[in-house]
Amino acid sequence: QKEVEQDPGPLSVPEGAIVSLNCTYSNSAFQYFMWYRQYSRKGPELLMYTYSSGNKEDGRFTAQVDKSSKYISLFIRDSQPSDSATYLCAMNLGSSYKLIFGSGTRLLVRP
Amino acid sequence: DADVTQTPRNRITKTGKRIMLECSQTKGHDRMYWYRQDPGLGLRLIYYSFDVKDINKGEISDGYSVSRQAQAKFSLSLESAIPNQTALYFCATSDPIGTSTGELFFGEGSRLTVL
Repeated sequence: QKEVEQDPGPLSVPEGAIVSLNCTYSNSAFQYFMWYRQYSRKGPELLMYTYSSGNKEDGRFTAQVDKSSKYISLFIRDSQPSDSATYLCAMNLGSSYKLIFGSGTRLLVRP
Repeated sequence: DADVTQTPRNRITKTGKRIMLECSQTKGHDRMYWYRQDPGLGLRLIYYSFDVKDINKGEISDGYSVSRQAQAKFSLSLESAIPNQTALYFCATSDPIGTSTGELFFGEGSRLTVL
Protein backbone atom coordinates (compact mmCIF):
# COMPACT_ATOMS: atom_id res chain seq x y z
CA GLN A 1 0.00 0.00 0.00
CA LYS A 2 1.31 3.45 -0.92
CA GLU A 3 1.79 5.95 1.90
CA VAL A 4 -0.16 8.54 -0.08
CA GLU A 5 -3.01 7.69 -2.43
CA GLN A 6 -4.38 10.04 -5.05
CA ASP A 7 -6.88 9.36 -7.82
CA PRO A 8 -5.10 9.94 -11.15
CA GLY A 9 -8.20 11.24 -12.94
CA PRO A 10 -8.54 12.81 -15.38
CA LEU A 11 -11.18 15.01 -13.81
CA SER A 12 -13.04 17.07 -16.39
CA VAL A 13 -15.25 19.98 -15.27
CA PRO A 14 -16.89 22.98 -16.95
CA GLU A 15 -15.49 26.45 -16.39
CA GLY A 16 -16.84 27.99 -13.20
CA ALA A 17 -17.32 24.68 -11.38
CA ILE A 18 -16.08 23.97 -7.89
CA VAL A 19 -13.35 21.36 -8.01
CA SER A 20 -12.49 18.99 -5.19
CA LEU A 21 -9.17 17.15 -5.27
CA ASN A 22 -8.29 14.66 -2.56
CA CYS A 23 -5.56 12.50 -1.08
CA THR A 24 -5.56 9.88 1.62
CA TYR A 25 -2.53 8.83 3.61
CA SER A 26 -1.53 6.14 6.04
CA ASN A 27 1.11 7.71 8.32
CA SER A 28 -0.53 9.59 11.19
CA ALA A 29 2.79 11.31 11.98
CA PHE A 30 2.68 13.55 8.90
CA GLN A 31 2.58 17.21 9.96
CA TYR A 32 2.90 19.38 6.86
CA PHE A 33 0.60 18.94 3.90
CA MET A 34 1.17 20.57 0.52
CA TRP A 35 -0.48 20.95 -2.83
CA TYR A 36 1.63 21.39 -5.94
CA ARG A 37 0.40 22.29 -9.41
CA GLN A 38 2.22 20.96 -12.46
CA TYR A 39 1.50 22.23 -15.95
CA SER A 40 2.39 20.05 -18.91
CA ARG A 41 6.14 20.03 -19.61
CA LYS A 42 6.85 22.09 -16.49
CA GLY A 43 8.09 21.43 -12.99
CA PRO A 44 5.73 21.33 -10.02
CA GLU A 45 5.10 24.61 -8.22
CA LEU A 46 3.86 24.91 -4.67
CA LEU A 47 0.29 26.22 -4.37
CA MET A 48 -0.04 26.12 -0.62
CA TYR A 49 0.90 24.21 2.47
CA THR A 50 -0.95 23.55 5.71
CA TYR A 51 0.44 22.61 9.07
CA SER A 52 -1.52 19.95 10.96
CA SER A 53 -5.31 20.03 10.77
CA GLY A 54 -7.63 22.76 9.58
CA ASN A 55 -8.30 24.92 6.57
CA LYS A 56 -6.22 27.43 4.69
CA GLU A 57 -7.53 29.74 2.01
CA ASP A 58 -5.65 31.58 -0.73
CA GLY A 59 -7.81 33.30 -3.28
CA ARG A 60 -9.87 30.70 -5.12
CA PHE A 61 -8.00 27.84 -3.45
CA THR A 62 -8.78 26.22 -0.11
CA ALA A 63 -6.71 23.43 1.43
CA GLN A 64 -8.30 21.27 4.07
CA VAL A 65 -6.67 18.68 6.33
CA ASP A 66 -8.58 16.12 8.38
CA LYS A 67 -5.98 14.24 10.40
CA SER A 68 -8.56 12.07 12.13
CA SER A 69 -9.56 10.65 8.75
CA LYS A 70 -6.08 10.95 7.20
CA TYR A 71 -7.61 12.85 4.35
CA ILE A 72 -6.64 16.11 2.66
CA SER A 73 -8.48 18.14 0.07
CA LEU A 74 -7.91 21.03 -2.27
CA PHE A 75 -10.95 23.01 -3.39
CA ILE A 76 -10.85 25.32 -6.38
CA ARG A 77 -13.71 27.80 -6.69
CA ASP A 78 -14.78 29.34 -9.98
CA SER A 79 -12.42 27.07 -11.89
CA GLN A 80 -10.77 28.47 -15.00
CA PRO A 81 -9.27 26.80 -18.08
CA SER A 82 -5.90 28.03 -16.81
CA ASP A 83 -6.37 25.72 -13.79
CA SER A 84 -6.02 22.73 -16.13
CA ALA A 85 -2.96 20.92 -14.81
CA THR A 86 -1.91 17.98 -12.69
CA TYR A 87 -2.27 18.54 -8.95
CA LEU A 88 0.10 16.70 -6.63
CA CYS A 89 -0.40 16.36 -2.92
CA ALA A 90 2.64 15.93 -0.72
CA MET A 91 3.34 15.60 2.97
CA ASN A 92 6.19 15.22 5.43
CA LEU A 93 7.02 14.60 9.05
CA GLY A 94 7.97 18.18 9.84
CA SER A 95 11.68 18.71 10.31
CA SER A 96 12.43 16.19 7.60
CA TYR A 97 13.77 16.51 4.08
CA LYS A 98 11.61 13.62 2.94
CA LEU A 99 8.49 14.65 1.07
CA ILE A 100 6.06 11.91 0.14
CA PHE A 101 4.19 12.78 -3.04
CA GLY A 102 0.92 11.49 -4.35
CA SER A 103 0.93 10.42 -7.98
CA GLY A 104 -1.14 13.43 -9.04
CA THR A 105 -4.64 14.11 -10.34
CA ARG A 106 -5.00 15.51 -13.83
CA LEU A 107 -7.62 18.26 -14.01
CA LEU A 108 -9.18 19.60 -17.20
CA VAL A 109 -11.39 22.68 -17.03
CA ARG A 110 -13.48 23.01 -20.20
CA PRO A 111 -14.29 26.53 -21.48
CA ASP B 1 15.63 33.34 -16.78
CA ALA B 2 14.43 30.43 -14.69
CA ASP B 3 15.57 30.27 -11.08
CA VAL B 4 16.35 26.55 -11.43
CA THR B 5 17.76 25.52 -14.80
CA GLN B 6 18.16 21.96 -15.98
CA THR B 7 20.13 20.74 -18.98
CA PRO B 8 19.49 18.93 -21.21
CA ARG B 9 15.68 19.20 -21.36
CA ASN B 10 15.44 16.08 -23.48
CA ARG B 11 17.88 13.26 -24.04
CA ILE B 12 17.69 9.94 -25.83
CA THR B 13 20.48 7.49 -25.18
CA LYS B 14 21.30 3.81 -25.42
CA THR B 15 21.65 1.16 -22.77
CA GLY B 16 25.08 1.22 -21.15
CA LYS B 17 25.89 4.85 -21.92
CA ARG B 18 26.94 7.33 -19.24
CA ILE B 19 24.62 10.28 -18.89
CA MET B 20 24.89 13.48 -16.88
CA LEU B 21 22.01 15.78 -16.07
CA GLU B 22 22.96 19.22 -14.84
CA CYS B 23 21.20 21.66 -12.58
CA SER B 24 22.05 25.22 -11.68
CA GLN B 25 20.11 27.65 -9.52
CA THR B 26 20.02 31.35 -8.77
CA LYS B 27 17.78 31.07 -5.70
CA GLY B 28 20.75 31.23 -3.34
CA HIS B 29 19.52 28.07 -1.59
CA ASP B 30 21.92 25.66 0.06
CA ARG B 31 19.64 22.66 -0.29
CA MET B 32 19.29 20.86 -3.60
CA TYR B 33 17.49 17.68 -4.62
CA TRP B 34 17.11 15.30 -7.52
CA TYR B 35 13.73 13.65 -8.06
CA ARG B 36 12.45 11.20 -10.58
CA GLN B 37 8.84 11.25 -11.84
CA ASP B 38 7.15 8.21 -13.35
CA PRO B 39 3.49 7.87 -14.36
CA GLY B 40 1.44 6.52 -11.48
CA LEU B 41 4.35 6.71 -9.03
CA GLY B 42 4.64 10.39 -8.32
CA LEU B 43 7.94 12.02 -7.47
CA ARG B 44 10.63 9.98 -5.74
CA LEU B 45 13.81 11.33 -4.20
CA ILE B 46 17.08 10.12 -5.68
CA TYR B 47 19.70 12.23 -3.87
CA TYR B 48 19.79 15.39 -1.81
CA SER B 49 22.47 17.80 -0.65
CA PHE B 50 22.17 20.30 2.18
CA ASP B 51 25.44 22.03 1.36
CA VAL B 52 28.48 21.58 -0.87
CA LYS B 53 30.10 19.00 1.41
CA ASP B 54 26.91 17.15 2.26
CA ILE B 55 25.52 14.48 -0.10
CA ASN B 56 22.86 11.97 0.91
CA LYS B 57 21.04 9.11 -0.72
CA GLY B 58 17.31 9.29 -1.18
CA GLU B 59 14.89 6.40 -1.54
CA ILE B 60 15.96 5.27 -5.05
CA SER B 61 19.69 6.05 -5.37
CA ASP B 62 20.83 2.72 -6.88
CA GLY B 63 22.26 3.26 -10.36
CA TYR B 64 22.73 7.00 -9.83
CA SER B 65 25.47 9.26 -8.51
CA VAL B 66 25.64 13.00 -7.90
CA SER B 67 28.16 15.79 -7.66
CA ARG B 68 27.73 19.13 -5.92
CA GLN B 69 30.23 21.30 -7.75
CA ALA B 70 29.24 24.54 -6.05
CA GLN B 71 26.39 25.95 -4.00
CA ALA B 72 24.53 26.64 -7.20
CA LYS B 73 25.30 23.45 -9.14
CA PHE B 74 24.17 19.88 -8.58
CA SER B 75 24.54 17.22 -11.26
CA LEU B 76 23.07 13.73 -11.53
CA SER B 77 24.89 10.92 -13.34
CA LEU B 78 23.76 7.57 -14.63
CA GLU B 79 26.97 5.58 -14.94
CA SER B 80 25.49 2.91 -17.18
CA ALA B 81 21.97 3.78 -18.26
CA ILE B 82 19.28 1.09 -18.43
CA PRO B 83 15.79 1.26 -19.95
CA ASN B 84 13.98 1.39 -16.60
CA GLN B 85 15.73 4.68 -15.91
CA THR B 86 13.59 6.21 -18.61
CA ALA B 87 11.75 8.94 -16.72
CA LEU B 88 11.32 12.65 -16.13
CA TYR B 89 13.99 14.00 -13.79
CA PHE B 90 13.60 17.12 -11.70
CA CYS B 91 16.08 19.19 -9.78
CA ALA B 92 14.73 21.21 -6.87
CA THR B 93 16.00 23.63 -4.24
CA SER B 94 14.84 24.81 -0.86
CA ASP B 95 15.93 26.88 2.08
CA PRO B 96 15.99 25.30 5.58
CA ILE B 97 12.44 26.40 6.40
CA GLY B 98 11.24 25.11 3.07
CA THR B 99 12.57 21.68 3.96
CA SER B 100 9.93 21.48 6.71
CA THR B 101 7.09 23.26 4.96
CA GLY B 102 7.68 21.40 1.73
CA GLU B 103 8.38 24.51 -0.28
CA LEU B 104 10.62 23.23 -3.02
CA PHE B 105 11.44 25.14 -6.19
CA PHE B 106 11.62 22.84 -9.17
CA GLY B 107 13.33 23.11 -12.51
CA GLU B 108 11.42 22.37 -15.71
CA GLY B 109 12.62 18.80 -15.89
CA SER B 110 14.89 16.64 -18.03
CA ARG B 111 13.16 13.92 -20.00
CA LEU B 112 15.46 10.94 -20.40
CA THR B 113 14.77 8.00 -22.69
CA VAL B 114 17.04 4.97 -22.54
CA LEU B 115 16.69 2.62 -25.51
